[in-house]
Amino acid sequence: RKEVEQDPGPFNVPEGATVAFNCTYSNSASQSFFWYRQDCRKEPKLLMSVYSSGNEDGRFTAQLNRASQYISLLIRDSKLSDSATYLCVVNSGTGNLIFGKGTKLSVKP
Amino acid sequence: DAGVIQSPRHEVTEMGQEVTLRCKPISGHDYLFWYRQTMMRGLELLIYFNNNVPIDDSGMPEDRFSAKMPNASFSTLKIQPSEPRDSAVYFCASSPYGGTYEQYFGPGTRLTVT
Repeated sequence: RKEVEQDPGPFNVPEGATVAFNCTYSNSASQSFFWYRQDCRKEPKLLMSVYSSGNEDGRFTAQLNRASQYISLLIRDSKLSDSATYLCVVNSGTGNLIFGKGTKLSVKP
Repeated sequence: DAGVIQSPRHEVTEMGQEVTLRCKPISGHDYLFWYRQTMMRGLELLIYFNNNVPIDDSGMPEDRFSAKMPNASFSTLKIQPSEPRDSAVYFCASSPYGGTYEQYFGPGTRLTVT
């Protein structure tokens, strides 16, 4: 099983749609979880951390299910500017982060 | 504030040549990471430093790759000799708190080896 797995997409959605991405991780001892965003030909940037109780930042909601080793990201009211690749990130057991390959989102007018 | 700075932004070289990539982390960040990104393998950690000391280099593909951090504001990743399969985007990132906290990425160096 890969350390961090994501559906590569692409997810093609119309403006205003709600879209959800999922991610599974293999290390049950992981304690840190993030979603990063990467625009085409740019560097990854932190979108939000993921907390055990779930957390929201505007139109974005992240949730963690430790029992199932599953992380999700929900985007409401999608904007054209949300088009990007979303990377699920989990800490390894050796003091660094493991990045998923990303899920590509394309929001159409 | 200046973010992580990488140079060059693009590098095209011939197989067998030496390639040196450079990184200046954000001032005050004690952790520095080198990553490689390809379509096939995604973003892979090559090596990371804490206070200029290499902590984990298990991701370095082979002896052709070497990395140094002579001081807190400068690091290099060297490939000698380069091969076409080394073509990728190489990112440098830094963090103030450690490998399991937010990391700030530089713009990357796009390397093409022909």
